[in-house]
Amino acid sequence: QKEVEQNSGPLSVPEGAIASLNCTYSDRGSQSFFWYRQYSGKSPELIMFIYSNGDKEDGRFTAQLNKASQYVSLLIRDSQPSDSATYLCAAGDGAGSYQLTFGKGTKLSVIP
Amino acid sequence: GAGVSQTPSNKVTEKGKYVELRCDPISGHTALYWYRQSLGQGPEFLIYFQGTGAADDSGLPNDRFFAVRPEGSVSTLKIQRTERGDSAVYLCASSLNPYSNTEAFFGQGTRLTVV
Repeated sequence: QKEVEQNSGPLSVPEGAIASLNCTYSDRGSQSFFWYRQYSGKSPELIMFIYSNGDKEDGRFTAQLNKASQYVSLLIRDSQPSDSATYLCAAGDGAGSYQLTFGKGTKLSVIP
Repeated sequence: GAGVSQTPSNKVTEKGKYVELRCDPISGHTALYWYRQSLGQGPEFLIYFQGTGAADDSGLPNDRFFAVRPEGSVSTLKIQRTERGDSAVYLCASSLNPYSNTEAFFGQGTRLTVV
């Protein structure tokens, strides 16, 4: 059974610091990885995706993928209180993977 | 519409009753997905439509769950003989490109409570 594991948190960081969110996955066949942000009571919102080993940067966000270790991470630089949310990691079989396997999410709290 | 619309936003039903949850995808999106999210969990895949047909319904938990999309736009998730364990937020998502999940957008969800 495919599994995606995340530390549920809460992860607390001071405003302006770097928040580091981690995720491991069980299925070596997974090819695509996604980070969603979910505010309380709201729907998930895609913030980053990554397919290749290494780093991918988009503004304050950097996704990192290490397929050998089956490890995905998300770094948020200059964390803001508005970044406080639950971050969901998801894995798919490929770019066309409509059937994503989600982790339980890590709750991030950015303290002003 | 501007986004994926789901109705109702909240539904409370008695155990054993039948419920229908509606999803109106973004106009022109041919791919539609249903997920279920229980408290403290990540979304769990239920079913995927490409056009009118259910391309993959492997996530439906049992035969009490059924979904349709007769005209390739609006979809209805139907749950028969509801059980308390069906209580969750049911999320719908749609995308223009069925081969890229990066373009999938979620609706606000329907919170189903079975009492």
